[in-house]
Amino acid sequence: TQLLEQSPQFLSIQEGENLTVYCNSSSVFSSLQWYRQEPGEGPVLLVTVVTGGEVKKLKRLTFQFGDARKDSSLHITAAQPGDTGLYLCAGGTGNQFYFGTGTSLTVIP
Amino acid sequence: EAQVTQNPRYLITVTGKKLTVTCSQNMNHEYMSWYRQDPGLGLRQIYYSMNVEVTDKGDVPEGYKVSRKEKRNFPLILESPSPNQTSLYFCASKRPGLALNEQFFGPGTRLTVL
Repeated sequence: TQLLEQSPQFLSIQEGENLTVYCNSSSVFSSLQWYRQEPGEGPVLLVTVVTGGEVKKLKRLTFQFGDARKDSSLHITAAQPGDTGLYLCAGGTGNQFYFGTGTSLTVIP
Repeated sequence: EAQVTQNPRYLITVTGKKLTVTCSQNMNHEYMSWYRQDPGLGLRQIYYSMNVEVTDKGDVPEGYKVSRKEKRNFPLILESPSPNQTSLYFCASKRPGLALNEQFFGPGTRLTVL
C-alpha cells in the first residue's frame, strides 16, 4: 500500500496568517493532486502537479511538487475564513489513486 | 449540470443485511471509482472501473462487490455488511487515461452498520 502522510492533521489559525500543509510519501507518483472538501460534500480538485519541482499558484494558494515527485506542499497566504475545510493530497499511479490522511484547517475570523 | 449522484445519502442497517449504494454520472466518463473515508485514514480506494464490464480492486476491496453494466452507473454492493464497514462512501468519475485527470466526486453516502 502506498501511503501518503499529511501534516499537520489539524490546524487552527487566525484570519490573515500564512500556513503550509505538507504531503509526504515513500513512493514516486506520476502526478499529485490537491483537493478541498467541505462538510457534507465530496472533495473538489484544486490543482494537479506532474513535473518534479513544479510550482503552481491559484490566487493565494501555492502548490509545489518535490523534485523527486514524492512530496508536495500547499501554502496559503493571508488565510480567510472561506479557506476552512479539509485539504487532501492524492497521488496517482496508473489507474489507482492514493489519498493522504487529510489536514483539517480552521480559519478563525 | 454535470454531476455524480449517490443514493441513499444516509443508511443505517444491521449486520448481514445485503445493501446496494447506487452511483450515477452524467458526464459520459469511462472511469468510475468507489472510496471510503474514515477519520485519520483519508480516502481509500475500494474498486474502480475503466469501462463497462471492466472492474479492478483498489486498496481495500474486501467485503465489497461492484458491477459496471452501463457506462453511467457503478453500484457498490455489500453482500453481508459488518460494523467495520461503517464509513462515509464516495463515488467518483473521470475521463480515462492519465491519472492527472480530475476526479468528480458524488456527495457521499454515510453508512452505519449496527
